[in-house]
Amino acid sequence: NAGVMQNPRHLVRRRGQEARLRCSPMKGHSHVYWYRQLPEEGLKFMVYLQKENIIDESGMPKERFSAEFPKEGPSILRIQQVVRGDSAAYFCASSPDLGNTIYFGEGSWLTVV
Amino acid sequence: SQQGEEDPQALSIQEGENATMNCSYKTSINNLQWYRQNSGRGLVHLILIRSNEREKHSGRLRVTLDTSKKSSSLLITASRAADTASYFCATDGGTSYDKVIFGPGTSLSVIP
Repeated sequence: NAGVMQNPRHLVRRRGQEARLRCSPMKGHSHVYWYRQLPEEGLKFMVYLQKENIIDESGMPKERFSAEFPKEGPSILRIQQVVRGDSAAYFCASSPDLGNTIYFGEGSWLTVV
Repeated sequence: SQQGEEDPQALSIQEGENATMNCSYKTSINNLQWYRQNSGRGLVHLILIRSNEREKHSGRLRVTLDTSKKSSSLLITASRAADTASYFCATDGGTSYDKVIFGPGTSLSVIP
């Protein structure tokens, strides 16, 4: 059973470009979380999704950021018109259902130049 | 905010000593989890303790939970240099949709 798979591991974008980060949850997991981690800081919750539904996006910036978890395929975190402040590690996690351990991917490191 | 807060922010000990990290949170929870993160890597799950449990062990790890004080502790016994990492506690909000929030973490350095 493969773990949570994130890609790309490292992504470099110029200011104003778009970044797309992908996350394939563990097999059988229907709950996906995205977190952002700035250097030397903890993980900040961004969004919690179940298949085809956004359950809680209270941690998402109001503009430029969006997330989806379609019926088929990976969850996507999309950042439009990236700025330097978007440079961070973005972690995806999944769980099988409520109240269970959530399992993390290895993260996607976004660098905006 | 339900966010957990770890204490201390940083801890430096000698190999073989025990390391204790604390976590406090603000809201009711269904469970509390501890994770470890090595530099530049993802988070590794260590232990999940449910709100009706008071103590849990896993190898050299011991986790306690005091829901009356809204606090938890992680004890690593006989520490090793390989235990050097950041440690995070994570709590859900005790609600039906179970968003998991992380504290800022404790940075542990184990000196050989």
